[in-house]
Amino acid sequence: DAGVIQSPRHEVTEMGQEVTLRCKPISGHNSLFWYRQTMMRGLELLIYFNNNVPIDDSGMPEDRFSAKMPNASFSTLKIQPSEPRDSAVYFCASRIGVENTEAFFGQGTRLTVV
Amino acid sequence: GENVEQHPSTLSVQEGDSAVIKCTYSDSASNYFPWYKQELGKRPQLIIDIRSNVGEKKDQRIAVTLNKTAKHFSLHITETQPEDSAVYFCAASITGGGNKLTFGTGTQLKVEL
Repeated sequence: DAGVIQSPRHEVTEMGQEVTLRCKPISGHNSLFWYRQTMMRGLELLIYFNNNVPIDDSGMPEDRFSAKMPNASFSTLKIQPSEPRDSAVYFCASRIGVENTEAFFGQGTRLTVV
Repeated sequence: GENVEQHPSTLSVQEGDSAVIKCTYSDSASNYFPWYKQELGKRPQLIIDIRSNVGEKKDQRIAVTLNKTAKHFSLHITETQPEDSAVYFCAASITGGGNKLTFGTGTQLKVEL
């Protein structure tokens, strides 16, 4: 398996624009997590899904953020409209959800909003 | 919800010395505690984990200890080497608790020659 795949790797956008980040989890993993990494807050959990269903989105900073998982092999995180303070590295991770097991991270998307 | 606190935020040691990073968690139901290492510009990767039915686990130069009563766990790295320099994250999770994985804020470890 190629591991967790995220795209794009880097995104530079202007304030106010819509940004969509994509993630393909490892096949067979039924839990998917979206994290945001900043120097100040470390790895913040934004939202996670079990079996494609959003379980906890309490970490989503505000209504400008939304996430979907239409099927077991794809998830998106959307920011609309984007703001400079959204600049961060966004990681997607997946793991087998039945028992506590290792979570595998994608390579991340570095988002810069100017 | 679960809250994981991690200390220190930065740690500098001399090569060959030991390094200790400590974490506390809030939810007594948490029963799985992984540690991840993130090298500069790369993704976090698991280095060791421990479950609540075990008090200590070792893997070569790294070890993790867990005190369920006090709700804290620690990462110990002995004989540190320059390649140990990275950011280390602790995390906590609950079996059957929706599978949520909550991370601490990270520790920047620098091993100096």
